[in-house]
Amino acid sequence: KNEVEQSPQNLTAQEGEFITINCSYSVGISALHWLQQHPGGGIVSLFMLSSGKKKHGRLIATINIQEKHSSLHITASHPRDSAVYICAVMEYGNKLVFGAGTILRVKS
Amino acid sequence: DTGVSQDPRHKITKRGQNVTFRCDPISEHNRLYWYRQTLGQGPEFLTYFQNEAQLEKSRLLSDRFSAERPKGSFSTLEIQRTEQGDSAMYLCASSPRLSSGNTIYFGEGSWLTVV
Repeated sequence: KNEVEQSPQNLTAQEGEFITINCSYSVGISALHWLQQHPGGGIVSLFMLSSGKKKHGRLIATINIQEKHSSLHITASHPRDSAVYICAVMEYGNKLVFGAGTILRVKS
Repeated sequence: DTGVSQDPRHKITKRGQNVTFRCDPISEHNRLYWYRQTLGQGPEFLTYFQNEAQLEKSRLLSDRFSAERPKGSFSTLEIQRTEQGDSAMYLCASSPRLSSGNTIYFGEGSWLTVV
């Protein structure tokens, strides 16, 4: 079993839809990252969470430490949101472990 | 500072050849990470450094792979006697001294194709 599990693996949405991507992890962590990767490889950090909830524009990330679960929400989705979204956890040993990613395609 | 830079961005090599990738982290970031990513998968941890010390190596890092960070600044990842299964993107990332408040910054990756 992977230490970090994401769902769904693939997601196709219509423009304007509300999108949720889930992440569950099985190890103790000091922080959780949501990352965005566009074709070509570049990865950008969207959020870093250790508790609660963060919001940036149309993106919202939440984490429940007790349940070892995090969600990334995208409101009013747009085709430019199409990318791979990756959940990564920072283990207490200070190693970042990645989920497999969720491939999101938003159609206009 | 222009962020984490990696070189070369793309490398095509024949099986059996050696290749070396370089990563220049953000200045004063003392943590440097190497990851490998294949198509359709999330990045897999290879190794990381705190300053010049290599603190952890993945079992993915066979004896054909070696990474160094001699002066605690840039790092190199060398793959000897490349195999077709080594074809992947090799990602470098850096972060400041670790605390829960510090984020991590990624390079654009170095794509390796072994033919």
